[in-house]
This record gives sequence, C-alpha cells and structure tokens, in this order.
Amino acid sequence: GENVEQHPSTLSVQEGDSAVIKCTYSDSASNYFPWYKQELGKGPQLIIDIRSNVGEKKDQRIAVTLNKTAKHFSLHITETQPEDSAVYFCAAGPGYSSASKIIFGSGTRLSIRP
Amino acid sequence: NAGVTQTPKFRVLKTGQSMTLLCAQDMNHEYMYWYRQDPGMGLRLIHYSVGEGTTAKGEVPDGYNVSRLKKQNFLLGLESAAPSQTSVYFCASSPTTPNTEAFFGQGTRLTVV
Repeated sequence: GENVEQHPSTLSVQEGDSAVIKCTYSDSASNYFPWYKQELGKGPQLIIDIRSNVGEKKDQRIAVTLNKTAKHFSLHITETQPEDSAVYFCAAGPGYSSASKIIFGSGTRLSIRP
Repeated sequence: NAGVTQTPKFRVLKTGQSMTLLCAQDMNHEYMYWYRQDPGMGLRLIHYSVGEGTTAKGEVPDGYNVSRLKKQNFLLGLESAAPSQTSVYFCASSPTTPNTEAFFGQGTRLTVV
C-alpha cells in the first residue's frame, strides 16, 4: 500500500526566514498531493494542493513542488510569520475514485522564532 | 456556517466501557471519514463512508464500528474501550469528487484508563 514519509518532524526557523518540509511517497499511481495545517486545538485545514499534471503551485507565501520521477514533493513557506507556527501534514492520494486511499505523513511541527 | 461538528470534545472512559462519537456536517457532502491522530503517526483512517447507508473499513478499523443512517451524520462507536484507543479522533467530510479538500472537525480527545 501507499506509504508517505515526512521530514523533518520538528523545524524551528527565525521569523522572516524560509521553511521547507519534504515528503516522499511510494505508490507511483498517486497523483493528488494536499498539504494541511493544524493549529493548536483545531482540526487540520487544507492550505494548498497539487496534482501530478503540474510541477509547482504557488499561493502567496506558500508553494509546493512535485517531482513525480523521484516521488517526492515539498512545501515551501517564505517570509515566515508567527502565525505560521503549527503542525503541517502532507498527504498523497490516487488518481482513481477511492476515498480511502489518501495517506497522511506523520506531521512536522513548525515553530517560528521571533 | 458550522461546517463539521464533533460531539463530545473530551471524554474519559474506563476500560471496557462503550461510547459513541457523533459527527455532523452541514455542507451536503457525500464522503465522510473518521481518523485517529497519535503522536508521530499522523492521521490514520479508521472507517469512511461514500454516501448515506454505506460504510467501509480504513487503515485501522479494529475495535470500532460506524453508521451513516443520515447523510449529514457519521457515528463512530467503541463497543469495549481499550487503553490503546486513547487518541484524538477527527471526523472529516468531502464533496462527491474524491481527491478534493477534506473539511475536518475540531477533534475529540478520548482517554481510556
């Protein structure tokens, strides 16, 4: 089955610097890759997603890159701010209709130092 | 707009007790899911439903049962709670089209002693 590995498990960056979180997946059929942000005491919330027909997607300070050949994708946050402190999850899902197959990574706890 | 609402937010159970977690969504979504979140293990799918009256097993279904009698509600039951079921439980829903945004509830923290 699909396996998604996420690194690092914790990340601390200075406010204003960039943060990068990396994920790898095992199932070559995967073609949907969402990223979720979970703030303390809340449920995860989608912040950006990418499908395998594109290599990069950007939304203001966040961007995701995808390398299907290497089976890895990354989240980039630029000009980090205190409100970026949270746990981030990557996930991978198949290209066909199967709700059960979206697999999450183990999460990265991002802390922004003032 | 409430989105996805979970009841209760916190619960402490004794080993062997039973309980039901309720999830309600007001977005008319077909798909609903129950996940558990444990430290260092991300979100693992317990059971899911692709529509009213349907349920299916996810990654870690043992010890849990579910029902989807109404489209807007998805219930998660623990018949005989065990300490290994201590976790944070999240319900989520998504539209008919798979591989689109899932909307999560605020979570239920369950402790089994």
